[in-house]
Amino acid sequence: AQSVAQPEDQVNVAEGNPLTVKCTYSVSGNPYLFWYVQYPNRGLQFLLKYITGDNLVKGSYGFEAEFNKSQTSFHLKKPSALVSDSALYFCAVRPYQTGANNLFFGTGTRLTVIP
Amino acid sequence: DGGITQSPKYLFRKEGQNVTLSCEQNLNHDAMYWYRQDPGQGLRLIYYSQIVNDFQKGDIAEGYSVSREKKESFPLTVTSAQKNPTAFYLCASLETVSNQPQHFGDGTRLSIL
Repeated sequence: AQSVAQPEDQVNVAEGNPLTVKCTYSVSGNPYLFWYVQYPNRGLQFLLKYITGDNLVKGSYGFEAEFNKSQTSFHLKKPSALVSDSALYFCAVRPYQTGANNLFFGTGTRLTVIP
Repeated sequence: DGGITQSPKYLFRKEGQNVTLSCEQNLNHDAMYWYRQDPGQGLRLIYYSQIVNDFQKGDIAEGYSVSREKKESFPLTVTSAQKNPTAFYLCASLETVSNQPQHFGDGTRLSIL
């Protein structure tokens, strides 16, 4: 069965400090991995994805994520947090199977950046 | 600009009433999806459609129905059989090229009167 775990419901970080939002996954075969961000009463906005290739993926707004196959992790990172980064973050996985385009989401991590 | 439009933004349902949530996309995407979002539970898949006139149940389809008569449109009906419909509903679409991200609308918040 496919699943995604975001072990922290809430992450607090001071403005200017580095941030990490954790994600681990379980999927048969090679995964496609995604991070999305959600602001209040809005839909999900795509941040970045890992498909293949370099394990360090760079995305929007200065975010990056590192794919670690041995640890089945895909943690989201940013070197210097901004107050405007405060939002709900979702990790998602799509199994690499022909015709299987469905996403499996984690339960989300609420990031609060403290001024 | 291309995107996904969900309407209405807020919707209220009376007991025993069916309500329909609209989702329209102008991205020319083949696949469309409906998710339900509850606090602390992430997104759960209700229905999806990979081509016009065809759709499949997701993980929580009971009490919901959909249609896909046009490529651009994928309306969701919340029926009276759905006993706990209060949630935030998100529609998404996707090119069928498998490594692309899903695009999301801004959601409809459904509440019970």
